[in-house]
Amino acid sequence: NAGVTQTPKFQVLKTGQSMTLQCAQDMNHEYMSWYRQDPGMGLRLIHYSVGAGITDQGEVPNGYNVSRSTTEDFPLRLLSAAPSQTSVYFCASSYQGLAGADTQYFGPGTRLTVL
Amino acid sequence: ILNVEQSPQSLHVQEGDSTNFTCSFPSSNFYALHWYRWETAKSPEALFVMTLNGDEKKKGRISATLNTKEGYSYLYIKGSQPEDSATYLCARTSGSARQLTFGSGTQLTVLP
Repeated sequence: NAGVTQTPKFQVLKTGQSMTLQCAQDMNHEYMSWYRQDPGMGLRLIHYSVGAGITDQGEVPNGYNVSRSTTEDFPLRLLSAAPSQTSVYFCASSYQGLAGADTQYFGPGTRLTVL
Repeated sequence: ILNVEQSPQSLHVQEGDSTNFTCSFPSSNFYALHWYRWETAKSPEALFVMTLNGDEKKKGRISATLNTKEGYSYLYIKGSQPEDSATYLCARTSGSARQLTFGSGTQLTVLP
C-alpha cells in the first residue's frame, strides 16, 4: 500500500493562477479531507468527503473547491490563488467505521507559495 | 472552552526527564479525542484515539488519559529521548462526528 499520496510536493504560483492539488489513497477509505497548516494555528479543515459524490465544507473553505468522483481521489482546486493561501496542505483519509473514532492517515503534504 | 486548546505551546526537557502536556476541549457533543505526533518535514502520525471517559492508552513510553466530563486529556512521556522531539497535536471529533478540530500543538524538544 502506498497509503495517502499527494502531488506536487512543492508549488509556487502567481496571484490569480489556478491549480489543483492531487490526493489519492489506496486503502479503500471512505472519508477524505484537506487541511491547511499555518504557523501557530495547527491544522484547519478546508473540505471533507464521506464518500464518492459527497463533499462538505470545513472550517476554512473559501477560495477552494473539491470533488470526489472516485473513492481513491480527492483533488483540491484553487481557482484564483491569493497570497493568503500560502500554506502547507495535507490530505488525510480514514475508514468510516465508528463515527469520529477512526485514525486519520495523512499524506506527505504540499508546500504552496503564492507570490 | 469553545476550541481545542493545548498547553504549553512549547517545551524543552532534558533527556531522561518525564513530561506531560494538556489538551482542553469542549465537553459537549463529544465523540472522540485523537493524539498525533508530528515530526518536522513529515506528516502527522496517529498515536491514540480515545472515546470513553476515563480511557487510558499506552504505547511504549507514551500514554494518554481522557476526561470527557471536564473536557481534557493529558499526554505523558516517560524518560524522554531526543527522538521524542516533535509537535504533539490533539484533535476532537465534533459536530456530526465527521470533522476533526485540531489544537495548535505542543512543540517538544528533548535535549541530549
